[in-house]
Amino acid sequence: AQSVTQLGSHVSVSEGALVLLRCNYSSSVPPYLFWYVQYPNQGLQLLLKYTSAATLVKGINGFEAEFKKSETSFHLTKPSAHMSDAAEYFCAVSNSGGSNYKLTFGKGTLLTVNP
Amino acid sequence: EPEVTQTPSHQVTQMGQEVILRCVPISNHLYFYWYRQILGQKVEFLVSFYNNEISEKSEIFDDQFSVERPDGSNFTLKIRSTKLEDSAMYFCASTPGLASYEQYFGPGTRLTVT
Repeated sequence: AQSVTQLGSHVSVSEGALVLLRCNYSSSVPPYLFWYVQYPNQGLQLLLKYTSAATLVKGINGFEAEFKKSETSFHLTKPSAHMSDAAEYFCAVSNSGGSNYKLTFGKGTLLTVNP
Repeated sequence: EPEVTQTPSHQVTQMGQEVILRCVPISNHLYFYWYRQILGQKVEFLVSFYNNEISEKSEIFDDQFSVERPDGSNFTLKIRSTKLEDSAMYFCASTPGLASYEQYFGPGTRLTVT
């Protein structure tokens, strides 16, 4: 079985500050990991993904995440927050050994950016 | 850029009624999924569908739920007799094939059962 834990249901940062959203996963086989963003009243948009290539993954809008197997973590970072980054962020894991790659999501972290 | 579409965006129904949620996946995609998100909770997997059959379903996906791909473009989720606890946002997703890993999500249908 696979699971995802996102520490912090709500993170608040100032504009220009570092964004750090935490994600830890549990998987019995090598995982594929994803970060999705959900803006108000919209669907889920992929920010970035890890699929066993480079451990440091760069995504859209200046976000990146580092896969750390020893820590079972896949934290999302952005050096400088922008007002437009305010949204809910979901970490998800997919089982690389499975047959259909269903996604298991964390509970999400709501990011607020203060001017 | 191709995208997954879903209709309606919001559906209100009375308890016990049947509802059909519709999705049009991206045209060359082969794998299709339904997820749901109850307000304030995480996104949960319901069912995956490939080659005109269910490949996996969660324990949430009981006999009240069914999925169908009636033609080459639509992918539907039917709830036969809705319950209050079925109120949620339902997302459809698709992917071209397993090797691409990424799932493309639609904007969702908000189902409200009264």
